[in-house]
Amino acid sequence: AQSVTQLGSHVSVSEGALVLLRCNYSSSVPPYLFWYVQYPNQGLQLLLKYTTGATLVKGINGFEAEFKKSETSFHLTKPSAHMSDAAEYFCAVSGGGSYIPTFGRGTSLIVHP
Amino acid sequence: DGGITQSPKYLFRKEGQNVTLSCEQNLNHDAMYWYRQDPGQGLRLIYYSQIVNDFQKGDIAEGYSVSREKKESFPLTVTSAQKNPTAFYLCASSIVGKAGGPYEQYFGPGTRLTVT
Repeated sequence: AQSVTQLGSHVSVSEGALVLLRCNYSSSVPPYLFWYVQYPNQGLQLLLKYTTGATLVKGINGFEAEFKKSETSFHLTKPSAHMSDAAEYFCAVSGGGSYIPTFGRGTSLIVHP
Repeated sequence: DGGITQSPKYLFRKEGQNVTLSCEQNLNHDAMYWYRQDPGQGLRLIYYSQIVNDFQKGDIAEGYSVSREKKESFPLTVTSAQKNPTAFYLCASSIVGKAGGPYEQYFGPGTRLTVT
């Protein structure tokens, strides 16, 4: 069985500060990992995904994530937060013959001026 | 433009009434999904379908029903048996690969259902 833990239901940063959203996963097989973003009252949009190969993955809007197998982590970062980054972020894992992803509970990013 | 449409955006119903939420995609994806989203609980899978005329229950299927008569369409009916139907409902679709991935999901804009 696969599972995802997102540490912190809310993360608050100042505009221009580093954004770090944490995601740890549990999987018995090599995972496929995803980060999605959701703006208020909208659907989810893919930010980036890890499949195989390079462990540092770059996504849209300046976000990137690093797959660390030894730590079973896939944390999302952005060097400098913008007000427009305020949203809900979801980490998800799939793999092992199952195309159904398992989602984390989400982290709400709050950006202060 | 390819994508997923859900209608309506907001839906209000009286308790005891069944209501059907629409989901249409023109991405030619085989798999479609319905999720329920409540504050602080993330996404919970209601039903999913990999092929026309076939679908499987997800984690919280009780009180819901679906059909998949066409590849493009996957409507969800919230029945009167659903004890707490007020929520934000998301439809998604994806490719289904032989090895199960890595195929991301594409989401619709959601329908917010309020039952009073």
